[in-house]
Amino acid sequence: GQQLNQSPQSMFIQEGEDVSMNCTSSSIFNTWLWYKQEPGEGPVLLIALYKAGELTSNGRLTAQFGITRKDSFLNISASIPSDVGIYFCAGQDPGANSKLTFGKGITLSVRP
Amino acid sequence: DAGVIQSPRHEVTEMGQEVTLRCKPISGHNSLFWYRQTMMRGLELLIYFNNNVPIDDSGMPEDRFSAKMPNASFSTLKIQPSEPRDSAVYFCASRLGGPLRPQHFGDGTRLSIL
Repeated sequence: GQQLNQSPQSMFIQEGEDVSMNCTSSSIFNTWLWYKQEPGEGPVLLIALYKAGELTSNGRLTAQFGITRKDSFLNISASIPSDVGIYFCAGQDPGANSKLTFGKGITLSVRP
Repeated sequence: DAGVIQSPRHEVTEMGQEVTLRCKPISGHNSLFWYRQTMMRGLELLIYFNNNVPIDDSGMPEDRFSAKMPNASFSTLKIQPSEPRDSAVYFCASRLGGPLRPQHFGDGTRLSIL
């Protein structure tokens, strides 16, 4: 089946730093989504991208849909302690009932 | 606004027992999804419904798993008989509109099978 690759598994940054996360796939997706999950909660949608090349911001978060439709990145600027959590990318299959495929996630830790 | 509501939040039971997980989607949403999350495999789609009709159940691991959606405001995921390898967090998500619209997740049910 399709797989989304997110690495590294964990990232540790200092409060105030910027951080960038990448997500790659061997398959094309027609929608890319970024979710954040905090302990004991479900994933919460951060940004949705619908067009190749699209760059979208949500506060301190910026995400881009890669031109090849096989990758996406998420940037967090000026990180704060509440940014800690697991960040998942998800791609929507253009066929196959438009199912979402999730990456394994990146656990972000922010040191005060 | 009420989000997706799942119950119970935690379930611990012995292997062989029947387990029923419940989900109330966001009012008005027309699609509902069941996912399973484990450390090894991440988030996996088990089954999804559109307008209460199961559309794709190819992710359901085996016949021990079944899901129903008797009406637009309620769905169940049942495991019978349960096994220790079924231990995971099970999420329900709902969506309003077509495939390009985002899914909204509940807070999950943490299931432990002893």
